[in-house]
Amino acid sequence: GAGVSQSPSNKVTEKGKDVELRCDPISGHTALYWYRQSLGQGLEFLIYFQGNSAPDKSGLPSDRFSAERTGGSVSTLTIQRTQQEDSAVYLCASSRAAVTSYEQYFGPGTRLTVT
Amino acid sequence: AQSVTQLDSHVSVSEGTPVLLRCNYSSSYSPSLFWYVQHPNKGLQLLLKYTSAATLVKGINGFEAEFKKSETSFHLTKPSAHMSDAAEYFCVVSESNAGNMLTFGGGTRLMVKP
Repeated sequence: GAGVSQSPSNKVTEKGKDVELRCDPISGHTALYWYRQSLGQGLEFLIYFQGNSAPDKSGLPSDRFSAERTGGSVSTLTIQRTQQEDSAVYLCASSRAAVTSYEQYFGPGTRLTVT
Repeated sequence: AQSVTQLDSHVSVSEGTPVLLRCNYSSSYSPSLFWYVQHPNKGLQLLLKYTSAATLVKGINGFEAEFKKSETSFHLTKPSAHMSDAAEYFCVVSESNAGNMLTFGGGTRLMVKP
């Protein structure tokens, strides 16, 4: 079946602009996660959604970052007033539920470059 | 709080020789441990996972890892390296009380020489 998809695959934006990154999880997966992979920080957790519960935003680096998940499916990560340090690969993952017995399946990522 | 330390940022082996990628973890609760692999320009793929069952875990492509609680280690091994094993490997921990949020180690780049 279809895996996790992300769009766009690459995004170049100017400093100060807003960007939206999209994630389509695997159908039926109730848990959705965003991670960021950068040269300086490695792979780090940003936010996760589990069903209709309030998201865990504990990994978001600043209030310029936000995410929503509509209808329990598609998620959008928004970065406002982008800075050069936001340049990274943003990865989305989904799993059947937010418990350790369920594998997280990762999408191919969105490479964000802030100039 | 949970954390993971991968002891080598780079490991180089010859094709056909054993592979050892070292990982130590820290966790306040009963952790689940994973190894993920990332090939160049490819997504993350799960190699194997430990979730409190057998301490010796077998994964895909001949890899295995042993959970040693007394040493807080979860080293990844393979008896014989193949050229296609060249990739970045991540040791990962999650805790049952943390929504399965994954905490990644810094990664180990495995190079395989012919």
